[in-house]
Amino acid sequence: GNSVTQMEGPVTLSEEAFLTINCTYTATGYPSLFWYVQYPGEGLQLLLKATKADDKGSNKGFEATYRKETTSFHLEKGSVQVSDSAVYFCALSSGKYGNKLVFGAGTILRVKS
Amino acid sequence: DVKVTQSSRYLVKRTGEKVFLECVQDMDHENMFWYRQDPGLGLRLIYFSYDVKMKEKGDIPEGYSVSREKKERFSLILESASTNQTSMYLCASSSAGLGPHYSYNEQFFGPGTRLTVL
Repeated sequence: GNSVTQMEGPVTLSEEAFLTINCTYTATGYPSLFWYVQYPGEGLQLLLKATKADDKGSNKGFEATYRKETTSFHLEKGSVQVSDSAVYFCALSSGKYGNKLVFGAGTILRVKS
Repeated sequence: DVKVTQSSRYLVKRTGEKVFLECVQDMDHENMFWYRQDPGLGLRLIYFSYDVKMKEKGDIPEGYSVSREKKERFSLILESASTNQTSMYLCASSSAGLGPHYSYNEQFFGPGTRLTVL
């Protein structure tokens, strides 16, 4: 079945450091790929998405590229801020009509000032 | 501003009680979802509804049921709560978009209900 594997956390960085959170997936067909973010005490919100191979999703300084050859969708940011501290989830579309999501385990990011 | 609301942020129940978790969305979305979130496991889909009175089992439906009598409301029911159902429960909704073959529809999440079963 479809699955998502994320790097384990927590990831602890200093402000302005470079961030990479690895995500790889197993899927049949051509899923869409997503990164969701969960700030403390809140529900998840969509951070960025990519719907086909070689697409790059970007938002708020975060980027991820849909790599079909390596089945990866790694999240990157050039300079993190304390306000980026959150849990990040990689996900892929699944189900007969692609309207379900399969999530990774989540990666906690802590940014220190 | 789009919104998904859940009836409680925190809930404490006793083993064997019947528990109702309510979710309401104001976006006229066709699809609604219930997930549970546990550390190290991410989010796992419990049930999914794609229309009023229609439902489909997710990955972990055992011990749960759902009800969708109105388009905007999706209820999760724990018939007889057990301690292993202590978790964070998240509701989400999404549009059916351009039709059943459209592969991407953003899901909008509520803030979650942290349920403790003693």
